[in-house]
Amino acid sequence: EVQLVQSGAEVKKPGESLRISCKGCGYSFDSYWISWVRQMPGKGLEWMGRIDPSDSYSHSSPSFQGHVTISVDKSISTAYLQWGSLKASDTAMYYCARHPRGNTAMDVWGQGTTVTVSS
Amino acid sequence: EIVMTQSPATLSGSPGERATLSCRASQSVSGNLAWYQQKPGQAPRLLIYGASTRATGIPARFSGSGSGTEFTLTISSLQSEDFAVYFCQQYNNWPWTFGQGTQVEIK
Repeated sequence: EVQLVQSGAEVKKPGESLRISCKGCGYSFDSYWISWVRQMPGKGLEWMGRIDPSDSYSHSSPSFQGHVTISVDKSISTAYLQWGSLKASDTAMYYCARHPRGNTAMDVWGQGTTVTVSS
Repeated sequence: EIVMTQSPATLSGSPGERATLSCRASQSVSGNLAWYQQKPGQAPRLLIYGASTRATGIPARFSGSGSGTEFTLTISSLQSEDFAVYFCQQYNNWPWTFGQGTQVEIK
């Protein structure tokens, strides 16, 4: 079965660092890009950026550039979303999703990782 | 960035009724438009891509149309499992952007 399995919920304090993960199963991981999507509580979906596992090239939305880092370890079929210094406004659900290379729709989604940032 | 505007914000319908959801782009996205369904506590699910192609396993009561800046998702006969939030998304220009969503609720 094709699936993306995300890491578990996180509770952090402002200023702390965090890395969450997304493991691809049941398909050729480096044949599809991985995107990250944020959903703040009770709100809509925001595309954050994407990465090509075959060459690790990533591309982020200007809204998130400089605040998050998207990376990948294709040897273990896993993509990552990382923060160096969390803010309370990072509290949200984060989804990873795969899509064929290029301008294509996101056809398989992870179950989501809840990140709560609170002092 | 391209702004996606969905209407209505909330659509109230009864089982068996037809539902029509709209999505407008601030500039042309060609046919690079997807629709997703999200139920409470679940991840989004791809329904339609390429503006009009149903994703694998999606029932035929869901159909998409449009191109350029105006798009429509039609549910021909609402079923109980269709009450959810629907998002459109353009993947023609970076950054990719979503509409704010249409909540389909039971009348």
